[in-house]
Amino acid sequence: GENVEQHPSTLSVQEGDSAVIKCTYSDSASNYFPWYKQELGKRPQLIIDIRSNVGEKKDQRIAVTLNKTAKHFSLHITETQPEDSAVYFCAASMGFQKLVFGTGTRLLVSP
Amino acid sequence: DGGITQSPKYLFRKEGQNVTLSCEQNLNHDAMYWYRQDPGQGLRLIYYSQIVNDFQKGDIAEGYSVSREKKESFPLTVTSAQKNPTAFYLCASKPPGLMRAGELFFGEGSRLTVL
Repeated sequence: GENVEQHPSTLSVQEGDSAVIKCTYSDSASNYFPWYKQELGKRPQLIIDIRSNVGEKKDQRIAVTLNKTAKHFSLHITETQPEDSAVYFCAASMGFQKLVFGTGTRLLVSP
Repeated sequence: DGGITQSPKYLFRKEGQNVTLSCEQNLNHDAMYWYRQDPGQGLRLIYYSQIVNDFQKGDIAEGYSVSREKKESFPLTVTSAQKNPTAFYLCASKPPGLMRAGELFFGEGSRLTVL
């Protein structure tokens, strides 16, 4: 089955810096890659996703890139703000039925 | 933020006891999921259901059981056979259609502690 690895497990940046979180997946048949944000004490929420027919997708300060050959995808957050502090999860699936999540990255943005 | 309600929010049980976690949604979603969240291990899929009266095992189904008798409800039973049941449990549902086909809507979770 699919296996998703996520790095780093923790990431500390200064406000205004960029943050990058990387994930690798094992199943070359996977074609859907979402990213979820979980703030402390709250439920995970989808922030951006990408399908295998595109290489990059942007939404304001966040972007996701996908390299199908290398089987890895990354989340990029620019101009980080304290409210970006949270745990971020990547995931992968073939189709949309069964997501396999990474182990999460705790991002801390210091003012 | 509404739509998926999990209860109870906190639950304590003694070893050897079964416990059932409730998950109800009023979003008219067909697919529902149960995940377990442990520190450093992300979200692991326990069971999922794509339609009423049908469900499939996820990656860590041993020691758990589910039912899907109604579209709105997908309760999870943690049985005494689950060796390490203390965890945070998240229920989720997924809308039909293609526009937001992959987005999971999560409940607020239930934290189970085995004493």
